[in-house]
Amino acid sequence: QQPVQSPQAVILREGEDAVINCSSSKALYSVHWYRQKHGEAPVFLMILLKGGEQKGHDKISASFNEKKQQSSLYLTASQLSYSGTYFCGVQTGANNLFFGTGTRLTVIP
Amino acid sequence: DSGVTQTPKHLITATGQRVTLRCSPRSGDLSVYWYQQSLDQGLQFLIQYYNGEERAKGNILERFSAQQFPDLHSELNLSSLELGDSALYFCASSGAGGFYEQYFGPGTRLTVT
Repeated sequence: QQPVQSPQAVILREGEDAVINCSSSKALYSVHWYRQKHGEAPVFLMILLKGGEQKGHDKISASFNEKKQQSSLYLTASQLSYSGTYFCGVQTGANNLFFGTGTRLTVIP
Repeated sequence: DSGVTQTPKHLITATGQRVTLRCSPRSGDLSVYWYQQSLDQGLQFLIQYYNGEERAKGNILERFSAQQFPDLHSELNLSSLELGDSALYFCASSGAGGFYEQYFGPGTRLTVT
């Protein structure tokens, strides 16, 4: 039930945009996005609930396509501080949360 | 700093032993979640407690158990340790009963030799 994230890794120059995808084989209750910097704990970015809503957080936004069982995280005008590993977590029921293996994002000057 | 504290920071122990990891949630948070992060398995949800009661159970082995005390701190007990249990164990807390915004602690790195 672990979601599949793509790409596994991406390198960007400052100011460039990126999209990280998260796909599930099961119907989704909600999608959660976290960022983890090396040697640190995961940090919450956003949650998307059923309904196809799109959320934004500064220059980071996400969409959730319930029918396709997919979510995408959009990072625009990337900054050095965006570097880290991005995890999507999916709820396929009320009582569990499965995380993908992560997408390593590196932003270079 | 998320406001979630975990002790100890590092733990080295031998196979077959038993250890206890401790977590104190953010002030006011009633939910505590435990996660295991290893290189080959990624981040795995283990178990959630809400106000002292078990609320949700993930891929937690029978050798592992947890509890949440009246002061809301939580402990994760790992017994009959195996080499494969070596991992980073995170605790997270939330004000809600379900899976909402979670604040992660710094983690406990467990090494089983």
